[in-house]
Amino acid sequence: DGGITQSPKYLFRKEGQNVTLSCEQNLNHDAMYWYRQDPGQGLRLIYYSQIVNDFQKGDIAEGYSVSREKKESFPLTVTSAQKNPTAFYLCASSRGKLDTEAFFGQGTRLTVV
Amino acid sequence: DAKTTQPTSMDCAEGRAANLPCNHSTISGNEYVYWYRQIHSQGPQYIIHGLKNNETNEMASLIITEDRKSSTLILPHATLRDTAVYYCIVRGANTDKLIFGTGTRLQVFP
Repeated sequence: DGGITQSPKYLFRKEGQNVTLSCEQNLNHDAMYWYRQDPGQGLRLIYYSQIVNDFQKGDIAEGYSVSREKKESFPLTVTSAQKNPTAFYLCASSRGKLDTEAFFGQGTRLTVV
Repeated sequence: DAKTTQPTSMDCAEGRAANLPCNHSTISGNEYVYWYRQIHSQGPQYIIHGLKNNETNEMASLIITEDRKSSTLILPHATLRDTAVYYCIVRGANTDKLIFGTGTRLQVFP
């Protein structure tokens, strides 16, 4: 089935460790996105990529890093510099054209202890 | 990027139409209005989008005012499964940036 897959669904890490969240899509989409969601809040854009080997910061990029070496993959690394990393992380992809919708993964819930 | 304003929460009786408003007064001429919804702890789901004309699909209808400064998402016969947070967003004209606001929490009651 075509879609966008995030793994794992739940992730626990110790404070001070970097952690990488996986996002893979087989929809042949050009654009991919990472969002963070805190309890009771809306989605905030961390990074987005319009094309392979290119990405832009969103509104809350500090403490995060991404790469886009392949069209189908857009991993997000939560670094130790991120002060409050515990959150629900959502990945999305779209064809990158203005009149097409974005498809979301089911999210990864990261807990840092 | 155009910003959107939505009510924080709304209630709707099951079987009745749910009308969710959204203001986007700074929208540019070539920016689309999108609606998504998020059921608790899941990824957002696309509902509908439009530019100028009203749109309808199997999930909902989208009414955009003539000046494009506001829109309304209509769920014609709300069910309990429509209880969710509904986001109205405007797609960035020159980039693929998607900016979500805080959305409207719709509670459908029996």
